Amino acid sequence: AQTVTQSQPEMSVQEAETVTLSCTYDTSESDYYLFWYKQPPSRQMILVIRQEAYKQQNATENRFSVNFQKAAKSFSLKISDSQLGDAAMYFCAYRSSGNDMRFGAGTRLTVKP
Amino acid sequence: NAGVTQTPKFQVLKTGQSMTLQCAQDMNHNSMYWYRQDPGMGLRLIYYSASEGTTDKGEVPNGYNVSRLNKREFSLRLESAAPSQTSVYFCASTELGLNSPLHFGNGTRLTVT
Repeated sequence: AQTVTQSQPEMSVQEAETVTLSCTYDTSESDYYLFWYKQPPSRQMILVIRQEAYKQQNATENRFSVNFQKAAKSFSLKISDSQLGDAAMYFCAYRSSGNDMRFGAGTRLTVKP
Repeated sequence: NAGVTQTPKFQVLKTGQSMTLQCAQDMNHNSMYWYRQDPGMGLRLIYYSASEGTTDKGEVPNGYNVSRLNKREFSLRLESAAPSQTSVYFCASTELGLNSPLHFGNGTRLTVT
């Protein structure tokens, strides 16, 4: 079974600084997608960014970018110029041909003013 | 555009009581999912329905049943609630295709006493 591991239960960053959240996964599939979701205190799940396994180029969405290392099965999220509104739980997720999506345990990000 | 709608938002049950969580989506998605979220464990898949007329077990199906009533609706039933089922429950939907993200409802906080 595929597993997704987020080894950092909590992280903090100073406003305007950069922070990287880690995620590793275990799979024997060759084709899959990886996602990062944000969950603010409102409990809403918000898609941040996604990456296809076959694409070597790292995905970028404004201040959010990923470092995808396929051989190492690593998919970290970098948040640049952190803002107070970035404070949330962040979940890494994996989806393959099995059609379901598996999530990591999450990282709680605190942004200090 | 409502997206994914879950009802109720909050519920308190006594041990042994039954209830059904309702979920409906208006995006014409084929696939629907039920997850539970517990502190330190992320989101764990209970059941999913890849398409109308099919359902499959996820990681933690014990104590739950589901019904894919039609393409729009996917309900989750607890026949005899237990304190271990205290959690936040999320319904989600998506199109087929690995690159399609899940769209989530706003969750149901269930407490079983």
